[in-house]
Amino acid sequence: GENVEQHPSTLSVQEGDSAVIKCTYSDSASNYFPWYKQELGKRPQLIIDIRSNVGEKKDQRIAVTLNKTAKHFSLHITETQPEDSAVYFCAASPGYKLSFGAGTTVTVRA
Amino acid sequence: DTGVSQNPRHKITKRGQNVTFRCDPISEHNRLYWYRQTLGQGPEFLTYFQNEAQLEKSRLLSDRFSAERPKGSFSTLEIQRTEQGDSAMYLCASRPAGGESNYGYTFGSGTRLTVV
Repeated sequence: GENVEQHPSTLSVQEGDSAVIKCTYSDSASNYFPWYKQELGKRPQLIIDIRSNVGEKKDQRIAVTLNKTAKHFSLHITETQPEDSAVYFCAASPGYKLSFGAGTTVTVRA
Repeated sequence: DTGVSQNPRHKITKRGQNVTFRCDPISEHNRLYWYRQTLGQGPEFLTYFQNEAQLEKSRLLSDRFSAERPKGSFSTLEIQRTEQGDSAMYLCASRPAGGESNYGYTFGSGTRLTVV
C-alpha cells in the first residue's frame, strides 16, 4: 500500500516568515495529494490539494508543488500569521482512500 | 445540514465493554469513510462505504470492529471487548458521488475513545 513520510515533525517560524513542509510517497499510482490543517481538538480541514497532472497550485498565501518523478510534494506557507499555528498533514491517494503523513506541528512566533 | 456529525464527541469506557459510535454524513454524500487517529499520528483508513455497501475494510479493523451503513445514510462503528490499544480518535468523512473518487473529503469532528 501507499506509504507517506512527512518532514519536519515540528516547525517553529517567526511571524511573517515562510514555512515549508515536505512529503514523499511510495505508490506511483497515487494521483491526488491533499493537505489538511488540524487545530487542537478539531477536525482535519482541507486547505489545498493537487492532482498529478498539475505541478504547482497556489491559493493566496498557500502553495503546493508536486514532483511526480521524485515522488515528493511540498506545502509552502508565506507571510505566516499566528493563526497558521496548527498540525498540518499531507496525504496521498491512488483511489478512494487517503494515506496520511505523521503530521507537522507548526508554531508561528509573534 | 452543515457538515459531518459524529456522536458522541467523547467516550470513556472500561476495558472489555462494547462501544458504538455514530456518523451522520452530509445528506447528499453517498460515500462514507472511517479513519482512526492516535496521538501524534495522521489518520489511518479503516473502512469505506458507497451507499450501503461496505467496499473495503483495512487490516486494522480486527474481528472486534464492525461498521454498518444500513440505509446508505448514517453509519455506526462498533468495537466489541474494547482494549486499551483501541483508545484513539475515530473520524468519519464523507464525499459526494461523481467526479474523482478521492476528491472532496469532509471530515467530522470525531469521537475520542478512552479505554481505561
